[in-house]
Amino acid sequence: GAVVSQHPSWVICKSGTSVKIECRSLDFQATTMFWYRQFPKQSLMLMATSNEGSKATYEQGVEKDKFLINHASLTLSTLTVTSAHPEDSSFYICSAQAPGNTEAFFGQGTRLTVV
Amino acid sequence: GDSVTQMEGPVTLSEEAFLTINCTYTATGYPSLFWYVQYPGEGLQLLLKATKADDKGSNKGFEATYRKETTSFHLEKGSVQVSDSAVYFCALRNQGGKLIFGQGTELSVKP
Repeated sequence: GAVVSQHPSWVICKSGTSVKIECRSLDFQATTMFWYRQFPKQSLMLMATSNEGSKATYEQGVEKDKFLINHASLTLSTLTVTSAHPEDSSFYICSAQAPGNTEAFFGQGTRLTVV
Repeated sequence: GDSVTQMEGPVTLSEEAFLTINCTYTATGYPSLFWYVQYPGEGLQLLLKATKADDKGSNKGFEATYRKETTSFHLEKGSVQVSDSAVYFCALRNQGGKLIFGQGTELSVKP
């Protein structure tokens, strides 16, 4: 199956700093990528949908200025958590979807800890 | 709005026991239905899917049948193994193309 690589797999940062998470589709072109947040023992919450070359669409309640999403190429999307605070600590997961394909492929996730 | 409801966990079974994880959904139109599995510290992997009513998805001994009349997509396996221990998510893809997840069900299989 298709492979989606997410990097880093875990990161610890200080409050007030910014962290960038990368999501790459390794063997297919992803016109659409999704970013999710998962709290411990809970389901995935969709944060935003990004389409290559256009602005991301954020879900209600997600701060677009805090969670910056860039989808500059067909194989790469990035999520930047700006001015991170401890409450931003979570597991972030991306998924990528090829054109015309109903299946989404998930990255392995990034564990963010803000101290 | 569209939603997915799963049976609450954790579910604890002995090896070789029969597994059922219930999943029901609410959605307009005809969504595609999915089961994903998440192993500790990892992302999600697609386990199986069904795209229309009465379709049966199957993989690695797991099965689920798309039942439109009961809006259900229950996951079953005849004989679980310790390696099946994970969190299982039921999901639907709605008309807008978004994946909507259930809350997840943790499965623990003891030897």
